[in-house]
Amino acid sequence: QLQLQESGPGLVKPSETLSLTCSVSGGSISSSISYWGWIRQSPGRGLEWIGNIHYSGRTYYNPSLRSRVTLSVDTSKNQFSLNLNSVTAADTAVYYCVRGVVPAAYSFHHWGQGTLVIVSS
Amino acid sequence: QSVLTQPPSVSAAPGQKVTISCSGSNSNIGNNFVSWYQQLPGTAPKLLIYDNDKRPSGIPDRFSGSKSGTSATLGITGLQTGDEADYYCGTWDSGLNVVFGGGTKLTVL
Repeated sequence: QLQLQESGPGLVKPSETLSLTCSVSGGSISSSISYWGWIRQSPGRGLEWIGNIHYSGRTYYNPSLRSRVTLSVDTSKNQFSLNLNSVTAADTAVYYCVRGVVPAAYSFHHWGQGTLVIVSS
Repeated sequence: QSVLTQPPSVSAAPGQKVTISCSGSNSNIGNNFVSWYQQLPGTAPKLLIYDNDKRPSGIPDRFSGSKSGTSATLGITGLQTGDEADYYCGTWDSGLNVVFGGGTKLTVL
């Protein structure tokens, strides 16, 4: 059974870069039908999609975050990563890594357990 | 302000049926598949419905989805106390973005 696990710092200083990694187990990140992504949820608020990436490198980003976000894939480690730069307190949230399946890769069939990232000095 | 509109809360008694609506526009629901997610307290969301009305394996048929025009509906029959959760709809928007509803809190009285 496919499982996703987020890892990374739980505390990031304002103006710095938030970096998270998602480890994929029970399946290959090089699956042609899979898109790998990130979704965040601020405390007490709803869901916000950050972006998706295919193992080929094709990416889709939330237009409101595009200028600050970079997604990448490491097929040798079966992992994918999120970098969000110039963070502020508004980026404090639980970050989930997810898997979508084509053709509707915006339906997220698998979710990690989530990791809380706090932006504070 | 979410792109997709859901009622903030719904409630019903155990064993009863409840529906949760999700309203959008032609730029999102009207031309794309809708998914529904269940988020139990303190856990990650879980996919309940995809492609408007399909259930992933392991999701009981008490959960159903439908779409008409620019709106979608999640139905839950035979309500159980364990169904108390937040429910979210989601889809693709022509603005090149995945969008979600603001979430609906289900209370089983």
